[in-house]
Amino acid sequence: GAVVSQHPSRVICKSGTSVKIECRSLDFQATTMFWYRQFPKQSLMLMATSNEGSKATYEQGVEKDKFLINHASLTLSTLTVTSAHPEDSSFYICSASGGQGVGIYGYTFGSGTRLTVV
Amino acid sequence: DAKTTQPNSMESNEEEPVHLPCNHSTISGTDYIHWYRQLPSQGPEYVIHGLTSNVNNRMASLAIAEDRKSSTLILHRATLRDAAVYYCILRKYGNTGNQFYFGTGTSLTVIP
Repeated sequence: GAVVSQHPSRVICKSGTSVKIECRSLDFQATTMFWYRQFPKQSLMLMATSNEGSKATYEQGVEKDKFLINHASLTLSTLTVTSAHPEDSSFYICSASGGQGVGIYGYTFGSGTRLTVV
Repeated sequence: DAKTTQPNSMESNEEEPVHLPCNHSTISGTDYIHWYRQLPSQGPEYVIHGLTSNVNNRMASLAIAEDRKSSTLILHRATLRDAAVYYCILRKYGNTGNQFYFGTGTSLTVIP
C-alpha cells in the first residue's frame, strides 16, 4: 500500500524556538495534504488543508502565523511550529489524499510526530 | 461533513467476533463510509470503506444498513493487535479536497 513518511517521529525543543515537521508521500503524488493535532486521549483535530502550489487553508481557531505550512511539491508538505510554547506540545499527524490501498477518496496517514516543548 | 456517532468504548474476548457500530443518520446519497483505526502513538490506518453494498477485505467486513443511516465494522476474530481506536468517517464523493473530520471513535479493548 501507499506510504506517507513523517519526520521526525519525536522532537523536544526549547520554548521560543521553531520546529519543522516534514510529511512526504513516498510512492504517489499528493496534491492535497492535511495536518492534524491530537492531544492525549482525544481525537484528531484538523488544523489545515495544504494544496500544492497554493496557500494552506486553516481551520477556525488555528493561528496561521504560528503554524506555517508549505506544500512546495507534489510529494512534500512541511509544518513549522514557530515560537513554540509548552501548550503546543502535542502529537502532530499529516495525511495525503489518495494512495494505493485506501479506496476511493481515502487518505494515507503519516506515523505522527510527538512534539514536546520544554 | 455529516456527523457520525460511535460508542466510546467496547470490549471483546480474543478470537471472538467484534461488531463496532456507527450511526450516520444525516448521510447523503454520495457519502462514502470510511473506517480507520489508530494504534497508540501511531497515525490512523485505513481499514475499509463502502457506499451501499456490504464489503469484505482481508482486515474486516463492513455491513451497511439498507437506509445507509448506520453501518457496522466487523472484525471476524479479534486479536490483541486489533486493540485500537476505530473511527467511522463520512467522505463526500467527487471532491478529493474534502477533509476528514474525526469523531471521538470507539476504543476497542481485546481481552486475552
